[in-house]
Amino acid sequence: DVVLTQTPVSLSVTLGDQASISCRSSQSLEYSDGYTYLEWYLQKPGQSPQLLIYGVSNRFSGVPDRFIGSGSGTDFTLKISRVEPEDLGVYYCFQATHDPHTFGAGTKLELK
Amino acid sequence: EVQLVESGGGLVQPGRSLKLSCVASGFTFSNYGMNWIRQAPGKGLEWVAYISSGSSYIYYAETVKGRFTISRDNAKNTLYLQMTSLRSEDTALYYCARQGYGGPSFDYWGQGVMVTVSS
Repeated sequence: DVVLTQTPVSLSVTLGDQASISCRSSQSLEYSDGYTYLEWYLQKPGQSPQLLIYGVSNRFSGVPDRFIGSGSGTDFTLKISRVEPEDLGVYYCFQATHDPHTFGAGTKLELK
Repeated sequence: EVQLVESGGGLVQPGRSLKLSCVASGFTFSNYGMNWIRQAPGKGLEWVAYISSGSSYIYYAETVKGRFTISRDNAKNTLYLQMTSLRSEDTALYYCARQGYGGPSFDYWGQGVMVTVSS
């Protein structure tokens, strides 16, 4: 199975700071069709996860442009510029390139 | 507004069965693939099963293959997860989630339903 390693495990930030989360895959996530099925989800405290980013860098409807996904192959990054209170929670990367589809273990974003 | 509402969870003894339901509204259910994803208490997310819009394609995680069955009734806008031979490690919050068009795996999620397997 593809293993997604997220770092850091937790991240303490000050509101207004930038936050950066890494997701490294044990295999390349570029599919044979050229698409990279790497996604980011945020689970706010007490809520269901919500889609932020798909296809490495495409923001889902309604996601603010301060969320920026990037990367290729096996290395991916989610950057959050100017962290706001509603950004706090656990971030998960997810890959749908290889079966079975797998999640990273999560990165908890909290206030310093 | 897209809504997914799960039900059917509860406390069940090891080895017994349980069937979860997810009623969809706010979109044309028959046009979308659907998934079940679970989260053990205090743990991360685990994809469990997928079914295509017309039920032609069905996939399972190895941890549930042979024990769980995903199905859907497009006339009733309902997704199901039949769980048999339940184990303590199946204890989790089970979410249904819609597969998005054009890329995203899970664009909308339900609120989840809790399944506890314990004697």
